[in-house]
Amino acid sequence: SAVISQKPSRDICQRGTSLTIQCQVDSQVTMMFWYRQQPGQSLTLIATANQGSEATYESGFVIDKFPISRPNLTFSTLTVSNLSPEDSSIYLCSVREMGQPQHFGDGTRLSIL
Amino acid sequence: RKEVEQDPGPFNVPEGATVAFNCTYSNSASQSFFWYRQDCRKEPKLLMSVYSSGNEDGRFTAQLNRASQYISLLIRDSKLSDSATYLCVVNANNAGNMLTFGGGTRLMVKP
Repeated sequence: SAVISQKPSRDICQRGTSLTIQCQVDSQVTMMFWYRQQPGQSLTLIATANQGSEATYESGFVIDKFPISRPNLTFSTLTVSNLSPEDSSIYLCSVREMGQPQHFGDGTRLSIL
Repeated sequence: RKEVEQDPGPFNVPEGATVAFNCTYSNSASQSFFWYRQDCRKEPKLLMSVYSSGNEDGRFTAQLNRASQYISLLIRDSKLSDSATYLCVVNANNAGNMLTFGGGTRLMVKP
Protein backbone atom coordinates (compact mmCIF):
# COMPACT_ATOMS: atom_id res chain seq x y z
CA SER A 1 0.00 0.00 0.00
CA ALA A 2 1.02 3.62 -0.46
CA VAL A 3 3.27 5.22 2.13
CA ILE A 4 1.80 8.44 3.51
CA SER A 5 3.97 11.15 5.07
CA GLN A 6 2.18 13.85 7.00
CA LYS A 7 3.81 17.00 8.36
CA PRO A 8 3.97 18.42 10.93
CA SER A 9 3.33 15.55 13.32
CA ARG A 10 2.28 18.00 16.00
CA ASP A 11 2.06 21.72 16.60
CA ILE A 12 0.98 24.22 19.20
CA CYS A 13 -0.54 27.38 17.75
CA GLN A 14 -1.87 30.69 18.95
CA ARG A 15 -5.53 31.60 18.61
CA GLY A 16 -6.34 33.41 15.40
CA THR A 17 -3.41 31.98 13.44
CA SER A 18 -3.52 29.29 10.78
CA LEU A 19 -1.76 25.97 10.32
CA THR A 20 -1.11 24.18 7.05
CA ILE A 21 -0.69 20.43 7.13
CA GLN A 22 1.00 18.59 4.29
CA CYS A 23 0.31 15.09 3.05
CA GLN A 24 2.75 13.43 0.66
CA VAL A 25 2.16 9.99 -0.83
CA ASP A 26 4.90 7.92 -2.42
CA SER A 27 2.72 6.91 -5.37
CA GLN A 28 -0.16 8.34 -7.34
CA VAL A 29 -3.47 7.69 -5.63
CA THR A 30 -6.96 8.16 -6.90
CA MET A 31 -8.55 9.60 -3.80
CA MET A 32 -7.26 11.64 -0.90
CA PHE A 33 -9.24 12.67 2.15
CA TRP A 34 -8.86 14.76 5.25
CA TYR A 35 -10.33 13.63 8.57
CA ARG A 36 -10.55 15.15 12.02
CA GLN A 37 -10.50 13.20 15.26
CA GLN A 38 -11.43 15.26 18.27
CA PRO A 39 -10.32 14.13 21.73
CA GLY A 40 -12.05 10.91 22.71
CA GLN A 41 -14.05 10.83 19.49
CA SER A 42 -13.98 8.82 16.32
CA LEU A 43 -13.04 10.09 12.89
CA THR A 44 -15.09 12.64 10.99
CA LEU A 45 -14.55 13.29 7.30
CA ILE A 46 -13.77 16.94 6.57
CA ALA A 47 -13.49 16.76 2.80
CA THR A 48 -12.36 14.87 -0.26
CA ALA A 49 -9.36 16.53 -1.89
CA ASN A 50 -9.88 16.70 -5.64
CA GLN A 51 -6.92 17.06 -7.96
CA GLY A 52 -6.94 20.38 -9.73
CA SER A 53 -10.32 21.52 -8.46
CA GLU A 54 -12.08 22.57 -5.29
CA ALA A 55 -12.40 20.02 -2.53
CA THR A 56 -15.73 18.40 -1.73
CA TYR A 57 -16.67 19.34 1.83
CA GLU A 58 -18.88 17.40 4.20
CA SER A 59 -21.71 18.97 6.13
CA GLY A 60 -20.41 21.27 8.84
CA PHE A 61 -17.09 22.03 7.12
CA VAL A 62 -16.48 25.01 4.84
CA ILE A 63 -13.70 26.09 2.53
CA ASP A 64 -13.03 29.36 4.33
CA LYS A 65 -12.17 27.51 7.53
CA PHE A 66 -10.50 24.45 5.97
CA PRO A 67 -8.99 25.38 2.59
CA ILE A 68 -7.55 22.35 0.83
CA SER A 69 -5.23 22.06 -2.11
CA ARG A 70 -4.38 19.07 -4.25
CA PRO A 71 -2.11 20.10 -7.10
CA ASN A 72 -1.32 16.54 -8.19
CA LEU A 73 -2.03 12.87 -7.43
CA THR A 74 0.60 12.57 -4.71
CA PHE A 75 0.25 15.71 -2.58
CA SER A 76 -2.37 17.64 -0.66
CA THR A 77 -2.51 20.31 2.01
CA LEU A 78 -5.13 21.15 4.60
CA THR A 79 -5.12 24.57 6.25
CA VAL A 80 -7.00 25.14 9.48
CA SER A 81 -7.70 28.88 9.58
CA ASN A 82 -8.42 31.35 12.35
CA LEU A 83 -7.61 28.80 15.01
CA SER A 84 -9.66 28.53 18.18
CA PRO A 85 -9.47 26.05 21.08
CA GLU A 86 -12.25 24.00 19.47
CA ASP A 87 -9.84 23.20 16.64
CA SER A 88 -7.58 21.23 18.99
CA SER A 89 -7.72 17.83 17.40
CA ILE A 90 -5.88 15.25 15.37
CA TYR A 91 -6.03 15.82 11.63
CA LEU A 92 -5.49 12.79 9.42
CA CYS A 93 -4.74 12.46 5.75
CA SER A 94 -6.09 9.32 4.13
CA VAL A 95 -5.75 7.77 0.69
CA ARG A 96 -7.63 5.18 -1.24
CA GLU A 97 -6.32 3.30 -4.22
CA MET A 98 -8.62 1.54 -6.63
CA GLY A 99 -9.92 -1.68 -5.12
CA GLN A 100 -8.12 -1.13 -1.82
CA PRO A 101 -9.31 -0.07 1.63
CA GLN A 102 -8.30 3.32 2.93
CA HIS A 103 -5.03 3.97 4.68
CA PHE A 104 -4.12 6.81 6.99
CA GLY A 105 -1.14 9.03 7.60
CA ASP A 106 0.32 9.33 11.09
CA GLY A 107 -1.82 12.37 11.83
CA THR A 108 -1.10 15.90 13.01
CA ARG A 109 -1.81 16.68 16.64
CA LEU A 110 -2.86 20.29 16.94
CA SER A 111 -3.19 22.17 20.21
CA ILE A 112 -4.36 25.76 20.48
CA LEU A 113 -3.16 28.07 23.23
CA ARG B 1 -29.48 7.37 15.86
CA LYS B 2 -25.82 7.16 14.89
CA GLU B 3 -25.04 5.66 11.50
CA VAL B 4 -22.54 3.23 13.01
CA GLU B 5 -22.86 2.30 16.66
CA GLN B 6 -20.43 0.51 18.91
CA ASP B 7 -20.23 -0.15 22.61
CA PRO B 8 -17.39 2.14 23.71
CA GLY B 9 -16.27 -0.27 26.46
CA PRO B 10 -13.72 -0.54 27.87
CA PHE B 11 -13.63 -4.30 27.71
CA ASN B 12 -11.16 -5.49 30.32
CA VAL B 13 -10.13 -9.10 29.72
CA PRO B 14 -7.31 -11.34 30.92
CA GLU B 15 -4.68 -12.67 28.56
CA GLY B 16 -5.90 -15.74 26.71
CA ALA B 17 -9.55 -14.77 26.89
CA THR B 18 -11.90 -14.65 23.94
CA VAL B 19 -13.67 -11.35 23.41
CA ALA B 20 -16.28 -10.24 20.90
CA PHE B 21 -17.36 -6.82 19.72
CA ASN B 22 -20.51 -5.97 17.85
CA CYS B 23 -21.31 -3.03 15.66
CA THR B 24 -24.63 -2.00 14.14
CA TYR B 25 -25.16 0.20 11.10
CA SER B 26 -28.24 2.05 9.97
CA ASN B 27 -27.78 2.32 6.20
CA SER B 28 -29.11 -0.86 4.62
CA ALA B 29 -27.43 0.13 1.34
CA SER B 30 -23.97 -0.20 2.89
CA GLN B 31 -21.70 -2.33 0.79
CA SER B 32 -18.28 -2.62 2.39
CA PHE B 33 -17.32 -3.20 5.97
CA PHE B 34 -14.05 -3.04 7.83
CA TRP B 35 -12.49 -3.27 11.24
CA TYR B 36 -9.69 -0.81 11.93
CA ARG B 37 -7.44 -0.83 14.96
CA GLN B 38 -6.24 2.40 16.57
CA ASP B 39 -3.55 2.42 19.21
CA CYS B 40 -3.38 5.29 21.65
CA ARG B 41 -2.13 8.45 19.93
CA LYS B 42 -1.68 6.63 16.63
CA GLU B 43 -3.52 6.60 13.31
CA PRO B 44 -6.14 3.93 12.52
CA LYS B 45 -4.80 0.89 10.72
CA LEU B 46 -6.83 -1.62 8.78
CA LEU B 47 -7.26 -4.83 10.73
CA MET B 48 -9.45 -6.70 8.30
CA SER B 49 -12.20 -6.33 5.78
CA VAL B 50 -15.50 -8.05 6.56
CA TYR B 51 -17.02 -10.29 3.92
CA SER B 52 -20.56 -11.58 3.68
CA SER B 53 -19.45 -15.16 4.21
CA GLY B 54 -17.40 -14.23 7.25
CA ASN B 55 -13.64 -14.32 7.31
CA GLU B 56 -10.84 -15.29 9.61
CA ASP B 57 -7.31 -14.01 9.96
CA GLY B 58 -5.38 -15.89 12.60
CA ARG B 59 -6.97 -15.18 15.97
CA PHE B 60 -9.42 -12.71 14.48
CA THR B 61 -12.80 -13.60 13.00
CA ALA B 62 -15.15 -11.09 11.42
CA GLN B 63 -18.77 -11.73 10.55
CA LEU B 64 -21.46 -9.76 8.80
CA ASN B 65 -25.20 -10.12 9.23
CA ARG B 66 -26.87 -8.03 6.57
CA ALA B 67 -30.41 -8.89 7.65
CA SER B 68 -29.80 -7.55 11.14
CA GLN B 69 -27.28 -4.93 9.98
CA TYR B 70 -24.52 -5.81 12.35
CA ILE B 71 -20.88 -6.74 12.15
CA SER B 72 -18.88 -8.63 14.72
CA LEU B 73 -15.23 -9.09 15.56
CA LEU B 74 -14.07 -12.05 17.63
CA ILE B 75 -10.59 -12.16 19.12
CA ARG B 76 -9.38 -15.48 20.46
CA ASP B 77 -6.48 -16.05 22.83
CA SER B 78 -6.14 -12.33 23.60
CA LYS B 79 -2.63 -10.92 23.84
CA LEU B 80 -1.47 -7.87 25.74
CA SER B 81 -0.64 -6.34 22.37
CA ASP B 82 -4.30 -6.54 21.34
CA SER B 83 -5.05 -3.65 23.70
CA ALA B 84 -6.33 -0.87 21.45
CA THR B 85 -9.49 0.77 20.19
CA TYR B 86 -11.31 -1.17 17.48
CA LEU B 87 -13.21 0.93 14.96
CA CYS B 88 -16.10 -0.43 12.95
CA VAL B 89 -16.15 1.22 9.53
CA VAL B 90 -18.91 1.10 6.95
CA ASN B 91 -18.75 2.18 3.33
CA ALA B 92 -22.17 3.09 1.94
CA ASN B 93 -20.93 2.49 -1.56
CA ASN B 94 -17.67 1.60 -3.17
CA ALA B 95 -16.62 5.23 -3.41
CA GLY B 96 -14.13 6.13 -0.73
CA ASN B 97 -15.86 9.29 0.37
CA MET B 98 -18.71 7.44 2.04
CA LEU B 99 -16.77 5.83 4.88
CA THR B 100 -18.52 6.17 8.20
CA PHE B 101 -16.67 5.38 11.42
CA GLY B 102 -18.12 4.03 14.60
CA GLY B 103 -17.06 5.54 17.88
CA GLY B 104 -14.74 2.64 18.62
CA THR B 105 -14.59 -0.05 21.28
CA ARG B 106 -11.73 0.10 23.73
CA LEU B 107 -10.10 -3.22 24.63
CA MET B 108 -7.68 -3.65 27.48
CA VAL B 109 -5.99 -7.02 27.86
CA LYS B 110 -4.40 -7.55 31.25
CA PRO B 111 -1.80 -10.05 32.44
